[in-house]
Amino acid sequence: QKEVEQDPGPLSVPEGAIVSLNCTYSNSAFQYFMWYRQYSRKGPELLMYTYSSGNKEDGRFTAQVDKSSKYISLFIRDSQPSDSATYLCAVNDYKLSFGAGTTVTVRA
Amino acid sequence: GAVVSQHPSWVICKSGTSVKIECRSLDFQATTMFWYRQFPKQSLMLMATSNEGSKATYEQGVEKDKFLINHASLTLSTLTVTSAHPEDSSFYICSAGGPSGTGVQPQHFGDGTRLSIL
Repeated sequence: QKEVEQDPGPLSVPEGAIVSLNCTYSNSAFQYFMWYRQYSRKGPELLMYTYSSGNKEDGRFTAQVDKSSKYISLFIRDSQPSDSATYLCAVNDYKLSFGAGTTVTVRA
Repeated sequence: GAVVSQHPSWVICKSGTSVKIECRSLDFQATTMFWYRQFPKQSLMLMATSNEGSKATYEQGVEKDKFLINHASLTLSTLTVTSAHPEDSSFYICSAGGPSGTGVQPQHFGDGTRLSIL
């Protein structure tokens, strides 16, 4: 069983829509959760970093962690074409374990 | 803060040559750096953990004699792909934990090196 499961999509939405991305993880001991954004031919860029359960908001981005169901989510409000990228969820227990990544396209 | 620089960004070389990739933490010290490999449309695969002043820890299935890692200072780790062959062609990415603090720190990534072996 993979440590982190993520639907690879692809996901296509019109500009201005809310993008909803989700992952599940297997080990209830994980405490640190991240979302990275990766543009083509670039390294991943840290978007959100959450410790334990709860919500975290940063501008148009909201990360949620539900440890009871081992479910992590990322919401992007008022999506823009520049948000088109691959989004990777990850759990951190000294080493990072990544989901497969979801490719998102925001249509102008 | 927490900027990781990787060089070169793209290299093409003949089969049989060795290629060195550098990873630098520009504005913080990193006792631990990580090396990943990424194939097209796939997620990142951890190759090894690079520890300053000691031997790297390789993941299962990664040949340590093929992928030499040196972490000689708190701001520099290098990955050398020795006697590279076409199957070593890939996107190699390094990362480092940010400035130290409490708890596990998120990793910050370089922009990757695209390696093409002819």
